[in-house]
Amino acid sequence: GAGVSQTPSNKVTEKGKYVELRCDPISGHTALYWYRQSLGQGPEFLIYFQGTGAADDSGLPNDRFFAVRPEGSVSTLKIQRTERGDSAVYLCASSDGTGTDTQYFGPGTRLTVL
Amino acid sequence: AQSVSQHNHHVILSEAASLELGCNYSYGGTVNLFWYVQYPGQHLQLLLKYFSGDPLVKGIKGFEAEFIKSKFSFNLRKPSVQWSDTAEYFCAVSLNSGYSTLTFGKGTMLLVSP
Repeated sequence: GAGVSQTPSNKVTEKGKYVELRCDPISGHTALYWYRQSLGQGPEFLIYFQGTGAADDSGLPNDRFFAVRPEGSVSTLKIQRTERGDSAVYLCASSDGTGTDTQYFGPGTRLTVL
Repeated sequence: AQSVSQHNHHVILSEAASLELGCNYSYGGTVNLFWYVQYPGQHLQLLLKYFSGDPLVKGIKGFEAEFIKSKFSFNLRKPSVQWSDTAEYFCAVSLNSGYSTLTFGKGTMLLVSP
């Protein structure tokens, strides 16, 4: 079946602008994760959804970052007043929501803030 | 908070050489352990995982990893690498506590020369 998809694949924006990044998880997966990968680093956890609710948002760096998953499927990561330090690859993963499940990753969105 | 350390950032091998990539984690409780791989131009894929049972885990493409609890290690091995194994390899850990937010190491870039 189809894997995790993310759009756009690349996003270039100017400092101070607002951006939205979309994640479409594998059908039926209840758990959805956002990670951020900076150059030379491994992915870092941002937020986790179980169904529609954010079960853990402890990885969000500040209040400019927000994510929603209103119907328990597609999720949108929203970044306000972007800064150059926000430039990174934003990864989405989904899983079937059990405690010992496997996370399947999407291709990521490369965000560049000029 | 848990952390993951990967010993080498870059490894260069010739085809048919043996591979061992080191991974150590810091956490005193029960963990789940993973190796993910990212081939050039592709997204993160699961190579193998350990949740419980036999500490020697076999994954795809001839890879295996051994969990040594006393050393907090989960090293990845392959007896004979191929040019197609050129990729970046990430070790990751999650807590065995209901949901599985991943903490990643910084990754090891493996280059296999033909």
